[in-house]
Amino acid sequence: GQNIDQPTEMTATEGAIVQINCTYQTSGFNGLFWYQQHAGEAPTFLSYNVLDGLEEKGRFSSFLSRSKGYSYLLLKELQMKDSASYLCAAVDSNYQLIWGAGTKLIIKP
Amino acid sequence: GAVVSQHPSRVICKSGTSVKIECRSLDFQATTMFWYRQFPKQSLMLMATSNEGSKATYEQGVEKDKFLINHASLTLSTLTVTSAHPEDSSFYICSAWEGQGGNQPQHFGDGTRLSIL
Repeated sequence: GQNIDQPTEMTATEGAIVQINCTYQTSGFNGLFWYQQHAGEAPTFLSYNVLDGLEEKGRFSSFLSRSKGYSYLLLKELQMKDSASYLCAAVDSNYQLIWGAGTKLIIKP
Repeated sequence: GAVVSQHPSRVICKSGTSVKIECRSLDFQATTMFWYRQFPKQSLMLMATSNEGSKATYEQGVEKDKFLINHASLTLSTLTVTSAHPEDSSFYICSAWEGQGGNQPQHFGDGTRLSIL
């Protein structure tokens, strides 16, 4: 079956760096998305990776290893507003999104 | 960037009422739109894929006669929750693929919080 695994919850300190991991098993693979979702709001797009390697976009970076079925989202210089859930979603061979359950990130002062 | 508008943002109504939710792509054409439901502290759950000009594709366990989807144009899809009951109370979110989809991100509406009394 198809499956996405990511930690349920993580805690980090303001100003620090945090890495949120995501492993996936899908029938075929056409890329992986990361979304941010604040409580009570809809998800917003953060990044898309389809090739191996690191994509940097400001304070946020996303990494993909296709051979390992693994991705991570790296958040630097954490701010209180980064407290949110981070959703990992892989695109399968039918271009369907397979969603992870999300990682709730708690930022402490 | 691509904008998806969803309306209304919140609905509170009595049991047995039918509720229509609209999802519009404002600055792009969306052949495919998606309808999700999210219960508190849970992940997004895909309900159905809405294709312009054809019948929607429903996920297993989602009643198509209960959740009516109409995608009559390239910029509008609607979800009607018919004869809603308290167990239908949830956060409903639509999204749309920009372009041909695939490696394009889904852009989400702001969601509709439905509360059935």
